[in-house]
Amino acid sequence: DAKTTQPNSMESNEEEPVHLPCNHSTISGTDYIHWYRQLPSQGPEYVIHGLTSNVNNRMASLAIAEDRKSSTLILHRATLRDAAVYYCIRVGGATNKLIFGTGTLLAVQP
Amino acid sequence: KAGVTQTPRYLIKTRGQQVTLSCSPISGHRSVSWYQQTPGQGLQFLFEYFSETQRNKGNFPGRFSGRQFSNSRSEMNVSTLELGDSALYLCASSPLQQGARTGELFFGEGSRLTVL
Repeated sequence: DAKTTQPNSMESNEEEPVHLPCNHSTISGTDYIHWYRQLPSQGPEYVIHGLTSNVNNRMASLAIAEDRKSSTLILHRATLRDAAVYYCIRVGGATNKLIFGTGTLLAVQP
Repeated sequence: KAGVTQTPRYLIKTRGQQVTLSCSPISGHRSVSWYQQTPGQGLQFLFEYFSETQRNKGNFPGRFSGRQFSNSRSEMNVSTLELGDSALYLCASSPLQQGARTGELFFGEGSRLTVL
């Protein structure tokens, strides 16, 4: 079965960069890589997505390995509001099906 | 602009009953998808609709079904409820025909179902 794995938890200090890894070794060539985050009692919130190239937006950067078997979400300066569960998601290019990773609980210390 | 609205927010059912959950997407969004979130299995894709047609279905038994109406509102139904169906059911909408693949999904806050 296709698996998308992430560390269970990570810690960061406020104002420091955070690198959240994701392993998707069975990804197919047309699958997109998405990242969402979820705060308690809320639905997931879109962060960023990409296919092959690295991507930047106002929230974060996404670094995709050349073989596409892993990716890293980069928060350049963590704030307390970034504390959440971060999900790495494979989205089938042909099927549009979402396969969620296990999620990483990010704690940000002041 | 109103977000994705899910009703009811909380409900309690007993085994064997059925339940219907409703989702109103953001105005203008035609793609709606549903997800189940449990502590044990995490987030899992249920199904996706676009223009009243189911385009994709996850690996769930036939007790889980859904539909989409002409105004893009969607409902999902679970029949013959089991204890393991207790979960947060999330709905998401997208303005793009491609759905989640190349764009952003907008999630509602979910309907929390407890089966006793």
